Amino acid sequence: AQKITQTQPGMFVQEKEAVTLDCTYDTSDQSYGLFWYKQPSSGEMIFLIYQGSYDEQNATEGRYSLNFQKARKSANLVISASQLGDSAMYFCAMRVLSTGGFKTIFGAGTRLFVKA
Amino acid sequence: NAGVTQTPKFRVLKTGQSMTLLCAQDMNHEYMYWYRQDPGMGLRLIHYSVGEGTTAKGEVPDGYNVSRLKKQNFLLGLESAAPSQTSVYFCASSPDTTSGIYNEQFFGPGTRLTVL
Repeated sequence: AQKITQTQPGMFVQEKEAVTLDCTYDTSDQSYGLFWYKQPSSGEMIFLIYQGSYDEQNATEGRYSLNFQKARKSANLVISASQLGDSAMYFCAMRVLSTGGFKTIFGAGTRLFVKA
Repeated sequence: NAGVTQTPKFRVLKTGQSMTLLCAQDMNHEYMYWYRQDPGMGLRLIHYSVGEGTTAKGEVPDGYNVSRLKKQNFLLGLESAAPSQTSVYFCASSPDTTSGIYNEQFFGPGTRLTVL
């Protein structure tokens, strides 16, 4: 079964420090995409970063980087130099090919609290 | 561009009532999706569409119907609402199918539905 697991319901980090949010995935597909989304308290879903299953280098987008370990099926999000505005819910997601087209499977999320 | 819009933003229904949620996107995207988000859980896919006139079932399709008569619109219908359908509903869209794995999804702001 295709699944995304985020084992950290909540995380605390001090402002300006780095934090890693864990994500493991399960699929037998060879081709898939991994995404991270941020959901602030206002409720909207904001795309952060993408990693393709065939990408050899880890993706980076500003202060966000994705630590992709294919053999371990993990796709952890690293946020460097945390800011108060980073306090939000973070979702890991996997995009796979399904009957009729592609679909995206989401994890349960990790709530990040950034302390001043 | 407005991106992805959803109407209404909030709705309260009584058990057994019906309603339709409208999702509209102005980015000429092929794929559109309906998700629901419940407390403590990630997003779960209800239905999706890979193009005008097509629909497919997602993870939790029971009790919902959808239609994609126009490329820019994706409607989610509840024929007989139940309290278990109380949730926040998100619509999303993504561009084309040829490299669909690599396409991020653009989300609407969500609709908060309460069924009494």
